[in-house]
Parts: sequence; C-alpha cells; structure tokens
Amino acid sequence: AQSVTQPDIHITVSEGASLELRCNYSYGATPYLFWYVQSPGQGLQLLLKYFSGDTLVQGIKGFEAEFKRSQSSFNLRKPSVHWSDAAEYFCAGVYGGSQGNLIFGKGTKLSVKP
Amino acid sequence: DGGITQSPKYLFRKEGQNVTLSCEQNLNHDAMYWYRQDPGQGLRLIYYSQIVNDFQKGDIAEGYSVSREKKESFPLTVTSAQKNPTAFYLCASSIGSGTEAFFGQGTRLTVV
Repeated sequence: AQSVTQPDIHITVSEGASLELRCNYSYGATPYLFWYVQSPGQGLQLLLKYFSGDTLVQGIKGFEAEFKRSQSSFNLRKPSVHWSDAAEYFCAGVYGGSQGNLIFGKGTKLSVKP
Repeated sequence: DGGITQSPKYLFRKEGQNVTLSCEQNLNHDAMYWYRQDPGQGLRLIYYSQIVNDFQKGDIAEGYSVSREKKESFPLTVTSAQKNPTAFYLCASSIGSGTEAFFGQGTRLTVV
C-alpha cells in the first residue's frame, strides 16, 4: 500500500541550529509531495509542495525541501531555527495524480531549546 | 478573506448522541475532505467529496456520515455508532483531487 513515513516522532534542536526533518514515501510511482505545519490546537498550514521539475523546492518561513528519487525521500530543511518554529510537521503525498487523496505521515514534533 | 471555517471550535457530546460538525469554504474549491486526528496517529481520512451531491468513504468512515448539497458546505455527523469519537476533526478543501489541500482550524470533540 502507498504510504508516507516520518521516522522521527520528536526532535529537539537549539535555536539558531539547522534543522532537517525526514520523510520517506513508498516505492513506486512518484507522488506529489507536501509539507505542512501545525501549531497546537490549530489547523495545518502548507509550507511547500513538489509536483515535478527542480528537486529543491522553496517554501514559506525559510523552509526548503529536497526530493531525492534514489532515496524515496523528501526531507524538510531550515538553516537556522527560530523558537516560533516549534510545532508539529507533517509530510504528505498524493499518489495517482488527480485520482488520489492526500496520505499523511504521522508527524514529527519539533521542540526548540533557547 | 477566503478560507475554510469550522464550527464550533469545541464540542461536547453525551454518549449515545449524534452531533454535526460544520465546515464551510469560500474558496470555490470542488473537493472537500474530513480528517480525524489523534495523538501519534497523524491524519486519517474519514470522507471526501470531489463534487456536489457526491462523496466517498475514506479509511475510517464507520460511525460517520456526510452530505454535500452545496459546493461550499460539507457537514460531518458523528453518530452514536462511532465507538470512540473523542478526537480533533479537521476539514479541508482543494481545487481538485491531487492538489494541495487547505485546512480549517479544527473542531475538538469530547464525549462526556
């Protein structure tokens, strides 16, 4: 079955340090890929998306993600984390193009140390 | 402002009662979705609708029902048949299937 996996349940980084959140998608046809962020008790906000083309995509709030077909990965990165980045991050994919629905990973909670 | 509005933000229900969660969008999107979120489980799809007067079951539809009589509205009813309804419910919409979804602020349902 198609799936999206986020291997890390919880990550803690120091403010100002770099960040990488991992996301793997199940092998097969490349899905459309997305990263969302959720603050406690809130809805999800789209950070960035990948459909095709350039494998490095830029998003909002200084985030970027790199698609690597050889590793079936779509990792989210930020060069310098701010305390306001503390939230839960979800990777999602759509398989089957216009016939598919979003499949979400289980999320990675990011904590930021001062 | 365009967006998705879910109401109420908090909802309490007694066991054995049905309850309806509201979702309205003014983005002119064709597709709408309901997700359930539990801690550590990510988001699980309950129902989705790609067009007015049509909807399909998602992965966890048992104990839930929906309607799509208008393009902008996609209410979710949590019935008494849902064995564990306490959760955070998120509504979303998209231009069509296969595109990014935009989310409402969620409704937290608690069974008391």
